Amino acid sequence: DAKTTQPTSMDCAEGRAANLPCNHSTISGNEYVYWYRQIHSQGPQYIIHGLKNNETNEMASLIITEDRKSSTLILPHATLRDTAVYYCIVGYSSASKIIFGSGTRLSIRP
Amino acid sequence: SAVISQKPSRDICQRGTSLTIQCQVDSQVTMMFWYRQQPGQSLTLIATANQGSEATYESGFVIDKFPISRPNLTFSTLTVSNMSPEDSSIYLCSVGRTGENIQYFGAGTRLSVL
Repeated sequence: DAKTTQPTSMDCAEGRAANLPCNHSTISGNEYVYWYRQIHSQGPQYIIHGLKNNETNEMASLIITEDRKSSTLILPHATLRDTAVYYCIVGYSSASKIIFGSGTRLSIRP
Repeated sequence: SAVISQKPSRDICQRGTSLTIQCQVDSQVTMMFWYRQQPGQSLTLIATANQGSEATYESGFVIDKFPISRPNLTFSTLTVSNMSPEDSSIYLCSVGRTGENIQYFGAGTRLSVL
């Protein structure tokens, strides 16, 4: 079973920040938090990952709570192309198998 | 990064037949995985393709139904055997390297079984 809990769906206005929450209360000390997204008819795409500290790259920011039991993916200026299913995953390394949960279907409205 | 080519991109097959899906990577990788995505669902891991040895299957998947080969560090095949309409899904290949924290996915093979 997936070790994360995410809302089934969310929507966000274009140009606004999209904040996607994820609960991972059973995460172990050495496990990372990963985010992938799957745009319609494509394979999943890596977005970002983190262990304890907040992380930012050209796609998104990842905020991890101090107790590491939850995190939030932030897309700072959502566009229509960000419409996708977003998966929050915990694991030791991306070279290990990924167990996908149900993900959050994010819709960006014009 | 890694560029993954999956073939075929889609196919329509008759029940009782078998289809072999190929996954080619543009560079050597440590790990290769096969997933299934049924219509409207999330991805389910079928197996880990091990180079030079038998694949490691997840619960609910067996070698007789989904034989996998991985002859080298850049190539793997998944065969869907004795197909039924319930096998209609998207099959995806993914790869990863030890020490890297990114897994790369192919575009998938869309299979319809009549």
